[in-house]
Amino acid sequence: DSGVTQTPKHLITATGQRVTLRCSPRSGDLSVYWYQQSLDQGLQFLIQYYNGEERAKGNILERFSAQQFPDLHSELNLSSLELGDSALYFCASSVTPQGGQETQYFGPGTRLLVL
Amino acid sequence: DQQVKQNSPSLSVQEGRISILNCDYTNSMFDYFLWYKKYPAEGPTFLISISSIKDKNEDGRFTVFLNKSAKHLSLHIVPSQPGDSAVYFCAASGNQFYFGTGTSLTVIP
Repeated sequence: DSGVTQTPKHLITATGQRVTLRCSPRSGDLSVYWYQQSLDQGLQFLIQYYNGEERAKGNILERFSAQQFPDLHSELNLSSLELGDSALYFCASSVTPQGGQETQYFGPGTRLLVL
Repeated sequence: DQQVKQNSPSLSVQEGRISILNCDYTNSMFDYFLWYKKYPAEGPTFLISISSIKDKNEDGRFTVFLNKSAKHLSLHIVPSQPGDSAVYFCAASGNQFYFGTGTSLTVIP
């Protein structure tokens, strides 16, 4: 158990809909990262938050947005969903912002299926 | 553009033998490298890391080697055990983390 929690574990929805994925980082971790893993793909970095502020952006679509709240949990919002958004979405956390030799600890993921 | 590449999607090894998983990267500015292990329906689990100032790091049965001139790192597992069967991702740290596409290791009893 990494200490990172994600809800829900599974999500089935229809095209055009909007969903929210939630992540609680490990106790004491200030950084939260979101990744997408599509079939046969590696982990694609989406976005990072550090202590409530956006820190880095990766390959995140404009239809997707995220935020980190004062209690440090984070939510990833996916809107106008398309079939191609079906994937595993992982959240990871670390103590410091990127730049140091920091290890990220991953949650169990949310499996999203768009029908 | 894939900055971290794992060119072998899968690898099968007999129990007790050595498993060698390879990873190549393109950005010479990467200064920290990690290996993660992932079981089905679980998130990646940190396994071992290495700083760019070292060329080897060992933790029990797991050793990571870094060849900076070749921009290549490898993970050695000796001896391999059936419980090691999983997908292994290498990652490199720059301004963000970059992950490879993973190598699925099967250890045959």
